[in-house]
Order: sequence, then C-alpha cells, then structure tokens
Amino acid sequence: DTEVTQTPKHLVMGMTNKKSLKCEQHMGHRAMYWYKQKAKKPPELMFVYSYEKLSINESVPSRFSPECPNSSLLNLHLHALQPEDSALYLCASSQGKVGLGFLEAFFGQGTRLTVV
Amino acid sequence: KQEVTQIPAALSVPEGENLVLNCSFTDSAIYNLQWFRQDPGKGLTSLLLIQSSQREQTSGRLNASLDKSSGRSTLYIAASQPGDSATYLCAVRRGAAGNKLTFGGGTRVLVKP
Repeated sequence: DTEVTQTPKHLVMGMTNKKSLKCEQHMGHRAMYWYKQKAKKPPELMFVYSYEKLSINESVPSRFSPECPNSSLLNLHLHALQPEDSALYLCASSQGKVGLGFLEAFFGQGTRLTVV
Repeated sequence: KQEVTQIPAALSVPEGENLVLNCSFTDSAIYNLQWFRQDPGKGLTSLLLIQSSQREQTSGRLNASLDKSSGRSTLYIAASQPGDSATYLCAVRRGAAGNKLTFGGGTRVLVKP
C-alpha cells in the first residue's frame, strides 16, 4: 500500500474560520511533508516533520500551524487565512533518513482550499 | 541554493511520437531525483526514482536518465498516447539533509489523437 490519504478533498472557509487539513499514511514512513501549490506552478515546500519533530519550516506565516500527533498522521491547522492562501495543499511522506532507503516520496491527492 | 528547471514548459505531440522531457539542476550534491505526473487538480503520482549513483531507470514505456556531473535528467516516454497528457514534474532531493525536495516548474504535455 503506497497510499497517502488527505481529507477533506475540498474546503471552503471564511477568513475568520478555523479549520484543519488531515493526512494519513500507513507505509511506516517517518518523514511527512506539507506542500502548497498554486495553479500552474510547482509545489512549494511548507513544512517537514522527521520522526514526529518539525525539522523544516520554510518561513510559513503563523496562520498555518502544523501538527504531527503520531508517526501516521499529519495535520495542518488553519486560522485567519487570506484569499491569497487559496491553493491545493499536498501532503507527502517518505522514509525518514538518508541511508535508510530510497527516500521515494509519495503524495496524496490534495485538499483544494478556497478562502472567501 | 538548488534551482531546478524544466524546458520546455509545454509540449504538444501527435499520438505515437516519443516524448523527451528535460530537467536540469544547479547543485550536483543530490541524493536522488524523482519524476512525477500530475493531472489537473490532482495530486502527484510517482513515476520513476533515480538514486544519485544510478544512470537510468526504466518502467514500461518510461525511461529516465541521470547525469549528475552535468546536472541533467531526461524522461523518455515511448509511443505516446492521449492518456499521457498531463504535467510532468521533476524533483531533486538534497544530499546531506535529505528531507528537502525541490521541484522544477513542470512540462505540460498534450498528446493529440
């Protein structure tokens, strides 16, 4: 099973709302990623969790708050977003460390977020 | 800072023609390079992964080559079909840290029946 599952598939939220995106994998991967993708652009890295610890934050605004409650789950908490935050949010996972495997990245189908 | 470039940005070919997609990167200290396919509004599907020590990988009609010293990878798709129409992205994984995947801008491919 090489599946990364993201919920919800679509989300519309107001600028004062609080919502969360969820991501789950059962491949035993210990690195999990959040990417943001705008239309016709490549994915941009937001956060990386390695062994449930935040290892990379690409200077993302604090209105995005990641959480990794266990090795299979990754959340992205959203609060006070702006319309320009509307995008496809992608979750990915891979083995955790250089040298432990091929580090092939597997992506979920994404959550299409619209901020109104 | 690693920069990844894909040229051309878009490509249109008649069905049956072979596709050649290019990816170049500026820092040769990579751990691996991965090719993905993305359909409109969907997630990324992994096509091929090449480790830095490998020269090529093959899967069915797909073949990817890697020349680390010149900072280039090429994805070949043989005998293209309309179902191959999609955006193809390459991504390189940094060597030392390992957990940073940097993407190229992608090549949008249209295969005409």
